[in-house]
Order: sequence, then C-alpha cells, then structure tokens
Amino acid sequence: GNSVTQMEGPVTLSEEAFLTINCTYTATGYPSLFWYVQYPGEGLQLLLKATKADDKGSNKGFEATYRKETTSFHLEKGSVQVSDSAVYFCALIRGGRRALTFGSGTRLQVQP
Amino acid sequence: DVKVTQSSRYLVKRTGEKVFLECVQDMDHENMFWYRQDPGLGLRLIYFSYDVKMKEKGDIPEGYSVSREKKERFSLILESASTNQTSMYLCASSFGLDEQFFGPGTRLTVL
Repeated sequence: GNSVTQMEGPVTLSEEAFLTINCTYTATGYPSLFWYVQYPGEGLQLLLKATKADDKGSNKGFEATYRKETTSFHLEKGSVQVSDSAVYFCALIRGGRRALTFGSGTRLQVQP
Repeated sequence: DVKVTQSSRYLVKRTGEKVFLECVQDMDHENMFWYRQDPGLGLRLIYFSYDVKMKEKGDIPEGYSVSREKKERFSLILESASTNQTSMYLCASSFGLDEQFFGPGTRLTVL
C-alpha cells in the first residue's frame, strides 16, 4: 500500500536558518505529492503540491521537488521566520483512492 | 472564501455515550473525509464519502459510522464512545483528486 515517511521532530532552528524536512514515499505509479502545514490551534492548510516527476512546488518561500528516482519530496526554505513555527505534514494521493495518505508530521520551532 | 466548518472545537463526553461530530462545507465538493490526528501517527482516515449517501471505510473505521444525507454535510458518529477515541478529529472536503480543504478540528475527550 501507499505510505509516507518523514523525519521526526521537533526541529528547532534559529530565525534565518535554512530548513530541510525530509519526506520519502512508497506508492505504485505516479502519486501527487503535497505538503500541508498546521499552525497552532488550526486545521491543516495546503502549503504546496507537485503532480508529476521533476515538478517543483513553491509557496511562501518554501519549495519541494518531486524526485521519482529517489521517491522523495523534501521541503526546504532558505530563511525561516518565527511565524513558520508549525507542524508540517507530507502527503500523497494515488489513483482511485481519493483520500490522502499522510506522514506522521514534523514539528518546527523557530527561535528569535 | 472557501470554508469547512465543524460543529464544535472542544467536546467532552463520557464512556458509552453516543457522539455526533458534524462537518459542513460550502464549496459544493463531492468528496468529504473524516481523519483522526494523534501525536506521532499523523492523520489517519476513518471514513470518506464521494457522493450523497455513498461512503467507504478508511484505515481505522472500527467504532465509527458516518452519514451523508446532503452534499454539504458529513457526520461522524461514535456509537458508544470509549477512552481510546480521545483524539483530534479533522474533516476535509475536495473535488476529484484536487487539494483537500480542512476544518479547524474537534478535540474530543472521552472520560
């Protein structure tokens, strides 16, 4: 079946540091890949997505590239801010199953 | 502005009670979902619905049922609440295989 593995947190960074959150997946064929973010006390919201190999999703300074050869979709940001503190979820959707398969989430804490 | 709303942000119930969680979306989406969120486990799918009165079991349907009588509304029912159902419940909706929009969540505590 489909599965998503992402690095465990919490990840603690200082403001303006470089961020990488690793995500790898297992799925047959060509899934669509997503990063969702959950700010404290809120539901999830879509951060970015990529629907085919070598696509790069980007939003709010965050980027992730769909790498079919390594089955990865790592999230990166060049300079994090305190306001980026949240939980980040990698997810995929594949074929006839309309529901997302999520990773376990990575909590990011950015200190001033 | 697209919106998914859930009936309660916080709910406290007793073991054995019947619990209803309601979700409403205003985007005319065909798909609606109920997920459960637990620390270290991410989100796990309980049930989803792809049309009125249509439903499919997700990964952890035991102890839950659902109802979708109208397109905009999707209810999650705990027939007899147990302490291991204490969790955050998130509703979502989508069109086709596109982006899912999530509600703010209901934090349920079963005593």
